[in-house]
Amino acid sequence: DAKTTQPPSMDCAEGRAANLPCNHSTISGNEYVYWYRQIHSQGPQYIIHGLKNNETNEMASLIITEDRKSSTLILPHATLRDTAVYYCIVRASFNTNAGKSTFGDGTTLTVKP
Amino acid sequence: SAVISQKPSRDICQRGTSLTIQCQVDSQVTMMFWYRQQPGQSLTLIATANQGSEATYESGFVIDKFPISRPNLTFSTLTVSNMSPEDSSIYLCSVEGDSSNYGYTFGSGTRLTVV
Repeated sequence: DAKTTQPPSMDCAEGRAANLPCNHSTISGNEYVYWYRQIHSQGPQYIIHGLKNNETNEMASLIITEDRKSSTLILPHATLRDTAVYYCIVRASFNTNAGKSTFGDGTTLTVKP
Repeated sequence: SAVISQKPSRDICQRGTSLTIQCQVDSQVTMMFWYRQQPGQSLTLIATANQGSEATYESGFVIDKFPISRPNLTFSTLTVSNMSPEDSSIYLCSVEGDSSNYGYTFGSGTRLTVV
């Protein structure tokens, strides 16, 4: 699996958009970009994933650059409950039986009142 | 997505003893994954457990220290053997999402403290 690079920490004002970048310059053609977050040492929670098109769900939006070497997770209106460690990982899709993923150090997002 | 029940949620153990962590999934899954998260660190994959075959361990992890069972498609155990304080971590199990959700689902974790 490709390796990812994320800033160690970011701050965001409550109610504003939080934009979390991820670099995955060695991503290969069949690898998806996944985002998870971990709150207070609970188990990580899946947020969103994408291959090359931008994606949006009820939690967040994912913007992937055209060359797929980087992506940005957007939390459109951050709340205090969004304070967490956010992990970006890349891996092959579900049906390739690729299985495991490698978690980097993630970004600690702190949402401030 | 799958629901995982992991237990115990936490334990304090004496060095030299062993602890078995259980992971029960509410649906059949092919692969289950065991992770360790040391204090203040990211997740590190210990091993992948497939039903009907031996677990595949990552570099730095060995079967004698972390034996894994996978008796069926909904259950797995991880044993932390001959524990030392360095084994104090959160241990998490994880499964693949189903076809409608490609993400992983994680258990709530087992917080282990070895004294």
